[in-house]
Amino acid sequence: AQSVTQLGSHVSVSEGALVLLRCNYSSSVPPYLFWYVQYPNQGLQLLLKYTTGATLVKGINGFEAEFKKSETSFHLTKPSAHMSDAAEYFCAVSHNSGNTPLVFGKGTRLSVIA
Amino acid sequence: EPEVTQTPSHQVTQMGQEVILRCVPISNHLYFYWYRQILGQKVEFLVSFYNNEISEKSEIFDDQFSVERPDGSNFTLKIRSTKLEDSAMYFCASTQGDTTYEQYFGPGTRLTVT
Repeated sequence: AQSVTQLGSHVSVSEGALVLLRCNYSSSVPPYLFWYVQYPNQGLQLLLKYTTGATLVKGINGFEAEFKKSETSFHLTKPSAHMSDAAEYFCAVSHNSGNTPLVFGKGTRLSVIA
Repeated sequence: EPEVTQTPSHQVTQMGQEVILRCVPISNHLYFYWYRQILGQKVEFLVSFYNNEISEKSEIFDDQFSVERPDGSNFTLKIRSTKLEDSAMYFCASTQGDTTYEQYFGPGTRLTVT
């Protein structure tokens, strides 16, 4: 069975500081990995995804994530936090194809301090 | 940009009552999903639907739940006899089923069972 662990339910950074949100996964088959963001009172929006190929993937709003198979990790980073980045971030994994159900982590709430 | 819509945004019902949550997926999408998120917990998969039938369901999706695509545009989730523990945010999602692997999520319906 697949699972996702997000370390830290709440992360707080200063504006302009590095954002690092951690995600580790467990999967018996090659995973497809995703980061979603949820702004207040909105649905889940895809930030970026890893399916195959390059292990460093870039997404929207300056975010990127690196798939590290040896560490079973897919951490999300952004060099410089902006106030508008404050939101809930979810890491998710699926297998075989993008049509299979997503397994989500518990989410990390990112706060950005001015 | 096309989006998944859900109605109502908030539904309050009494225990034992039937509720129907409605979703309009993106028009050219072929796979449809329901997920739920109990307050403070992770987003959990309920059911996926393809070609007018359930393709996969989780243990949560028991006999009190049903899904339907009644008219080619709407996708509904029915809970026959609601329980207090059904209180959650319910998300609908859809995907084309091609290699983009992206599931598009609606804004969610908050169901409160009293």
